[in-house]
Amino acid sequence: AQSVTQLGSHVSVSEGALVLLRCNYSSSVPPYLFWYVQYPNQGLQLLLKYTTGATLVKGINGFEAEFKKSETSFHLTKPSAHMSDAAEYFCAVSEFPGNNNDMRFGAGTRLTVKP
Amino acid sequence: DVKVTQSSRYLVKRTGEKVFLECVQDMDHENMFWYRQDPGLGLRLIYFSYDVKMKEKGDIPEGYSVSREKKERFSLILESASTNQTSMYLCASSLGQGRTEAFFGQGTRLTVV
Repeated sequence: AQSVTQLGSHVSVSEGALVLLRCNYSSSVPPYLFWYVQYPNQGLQLLLKYTTGATLVKGINGFEAEFKKSETSFHLTKPSAHMSDAAEYFCAVSEFPGNNNDMRFGAGTRLTVKP
Repeated sequence: DVKVTQSSRYLVKRTGEKVFLECVQDMDHENMFWYRQDPGLGLRLIYFSYDVKMKEKGDIPEGYSVSREKKERFSLILESASTNQTSMYLCASSLGQGRTEAFFGQGTRLTVV
């Protein structure tokens, strides 16, 4: 089955600094990749997704991610962190075509933004 | 907007009780999922369903069962609750074939005492 590894369970940046959250995936077929954000006591909200086409994907709140097949990576970036970006971020992978309709998530990265 | 509604935000149950967690989605999605979320472990898939009355085990199905009698409703059942099932439970739904993102409910924080 497909799987996701997120490097770094906690990342701390200063306000205005670059945000880089790392995600590597394992999949036997071309993957669909997703980044979600979770604010305290809430469900997950989609930030962006890659299915096919352009490998650089732009999402909400100024985030973007690049699908690199050769590196099996889908790292999330934002040029300038804002205090409101403090949350937990999850990378996820889904396989298609295939027999699986399930989506698998990484362990999450908690982002802290310092003033 | 897609809406996934979980019946309870907070639940406290006793060890050995049978517990039902209910989830309803309003977008006619084929797929529905139950995950549990624990600190440092992320979201772990318990069960998913790709059609009415169809279900597949995820990574941690032990101690759980599910029911999907109608397309919009997916229930998670803890047959005999134990303290190690204290967790946040998240329900999600998506269109078929994994092409689209999953939409999540607000979560149910279950405490088993």
